[in-house]
Amino acid sequence: SQQGEEDPQALSIQEGENATMNCSYKTSINNLQWYRQNSGRGLVHLILIRSNEREKHSGRLRVTLDTSKKSSSLLITASRAADTASYFCATDLNAGGTSYGKLTFGQGTILTVHP
Amino acid sequence: DSGVTQTPKHLITATGQRVTLRCSPRSGDLSVYWYQQSLDQGLQFLIQYYNGEERAKGNILERFSAQQFPDLHSELNLSSLELGDSALYFCASSFRDYRGEKLFFGSGTQLSVL
Repeated sequence: SQQGEEDPQALSIQEGENATMNCSYKTSINNLQWYRQNSGRGLVHLILIRSNEREKHSGRLRVTLDTSKKSSSLLITASRAADTASYFCATDLNAGGTSYGKLTFGQGTILTVHP
Repeated sequence: DSGVTQTPKHLITATGQRVTLRCSPRSGDLSVYWYQQSLDQGLQFLIQYYNGEERAKGNILERFSAQQFPDLHSELNLSSLELGDSALYFCASSFRDYRGEKLFFGSGTQLSVL
């Protein structure tokens, strides 16, 4: 089963609205990352939040992490049509304090922002 | 532009054939990762190389193999291809600092097995 599972699978909103995507994971992590993928293109790193952090901001992006619930959320404020893409969370697993060095990706949330 | 180069962009071949996918990482990056993306399986980690040596292995089939050369470019070899191998194959290189390791993805190779 997937380490990271995003919710919802698909989200459709109007320009200017906020978009919130959630990610749940199963095991202890070093950090959690969010990536964006435009249709058929490579993934692009958006933001990284470490396991000892609760919130990170980057421009219109806000990421929260709740390690007690093993969940994270990505908020995109004032969305634009150009934000239309798939968004993936990825977990960097913690194995006895040493990172495996490979990221495990969830299935992604497909975000559609209508002009 | 991520700085990671993958060739070819598209590949169409027949079942039973063998293909090679090529990846050049960002300048200075020592790690190369290979991922397979399909509609039913999502993004699956295949294998990672670090400075020429295999570092981690994921859901890579025995029919698939990879290597990383002294100049750090990597090749993914897929043999005895089956229809189900049709997918988008990504290569990524990584940058690690005190916060963690971030991946930079190439634009992928779309493999179609007919």
